[in-house]
Amino acid sequence: KQEVTQIPAALSVPEGENLVLNCSFTDSAIYNLQWFRQDPGKGLTSLLLIQSSQREQTSGRLNASLDKSSGRSTLYIAASQPGDSATYLCAASFNTDKLIFGTGTRLQVFP
Amino acid sequence: EPEVTQTPSHQVTQMGQEVILRCVPISNHLYFYWYRQILGQKVEFLVSFYNNEISEKSEIFDDQFSVERPDGSNFTLKIRSTKLEDSAMYFCASSGARGETQYFGPGTRLLVL
Repeated sequence: KQEVTQIPAALSVPEGENLVLNCSFTDSAIYNLQWFRQDPGKGLTSLLLIQSSQREQTSGRLNASLDKSSGRSTLYIAASQPGDSATYLCAASFNTDKLIFGTGTRLQVFP
Repeated sequence: EPEVTQTPSHQVTQMGQEVILRCVPISNHLYFYWYRQILGQKVEFLVSFYNNEISEKSEIFDDQFSVERPDGSNFTLKIRSTKLEDSAMYFCASSGARGETQYFGPGTRLLVL
């Protein structure tokens, strides 16, 4: 069964820290992986998409990597800010467009 | 910047009633999706739609659910006879091509009483 898991479930860090969020998936035949941000009670904002042929993608202070052989992706956030506080979701697709989501990492960045 | 929109933002209905959730995908996108998120749980895939037909559907998407693209801009999800367990946030998403970024709408919060 194709599954996506995320650890840690919650993370609290002081402003300015660099941090890494982890995502793992069970099937190495991944099609692509997408990272999202979700604010409480809100929709999903797409942050980065990594195709299976890519190893990483960068957008501003965010960098996402993909390692198919180990079944892992990481989202690196540089110089974290209180405005980064949200839940971060990773979602993978395998052979189809259907996204399979992880349970998310709830991030709090305190001043 | 183009975005996916959804209406209504909130809907309360009685068990057994029909509801229609509406979505306007990004205008030049061709692939459309519905997902849902029960409170405190993972986001779950319901259905994907391309070229006026369902491409894939999950086990959740049973005969009580249907999707339609009634015109060139709207994409709807109908639940024929709602159950208590249908209470969730329903998200519409669209993408320009297979394997491209899926852009999500703000969601419709459905509460079935």
